[in-house]
Amino acid sequence: QQQVKQSPQSLIVQKGGISIINCAYENTAFDYFPWYQQFPGKGPALLIAIRPDVSEKKEGRFTISFNKSAKQFSLHIMDSQPGDSATYFCAALYNQGGKLIFGQGTELSVKP
Amino acid sequence: GAGVSQTPSNKVTEKGKYVELRCDPISGHTALYWYRQSLGQGPEFLIYFQGTGAADDSGLPNDRFFAVRPEGSVSTLKIQRTERGDSAVYLCASSALGQGNSPLHFGNGTRLTVT
Repeated sequence: QQQVKQSPQSLIVQKGGISIINCAYENTAFDYFPWYQQFPGKGPALLIAIRPDVSEKKEGRFTISFNKSAKQFSLHIMDSQPGDSATYFCAALYNQGGKLIFGQGTELSVKP
Repeated sequence: GAGVSQTPSNKVTEKGKYVELRCDPISGHTALYWYRQSLGQGPEFLIYFQGTGAADDSGLPNDRFFAVRPEGSVSTLKIQRTERGDSAVYLCASSALGQGNSPLHFGNGTRLTVT
């Protein structure tokens, strides 16, 4: 089954808070898990990515936590800023091929 | 440098008409991808080119959809006999290495509206 489930659908966070978005997958053949950020009217842009042999990856204020046994991964945005307000998509790559499977998206709003 | 360019940015067409959507990838990128994004949804894979050939076209919904990349650079997505359900944003992306784990660079999409 090639599906990635993402939650929550929308999220409101105060400036300076932590935003957490969760994803779950079924297919154990997925071997690369990127997160994309999308602003209205723009295409998605790669934010951060992780492979399943690593449990955590941090880049600046963005951290991916990966739980291979539970087939779950999450994005944490520390010190959330109003400029982080966007839609975030998790994705999974099937067996090093070219097809990325995207989650349904989370609309994040960071209030000043 | 220039990013992925998609033209037109908006296209309105009548049901039953034929449309072509164009994608200019980043220069030198060997892989090119087409995705479709409906309102409030994540991008849905359509087709992936490695050079001139379609490496995976499993996402094309039916035979009304066709894509070409004749010289390994510019690509055109062609939709015949358009239906209202085809209305969506069509996104193009390119990557340097032709593997899904090399970053995909997306264009801003073509918003297709079928009336």
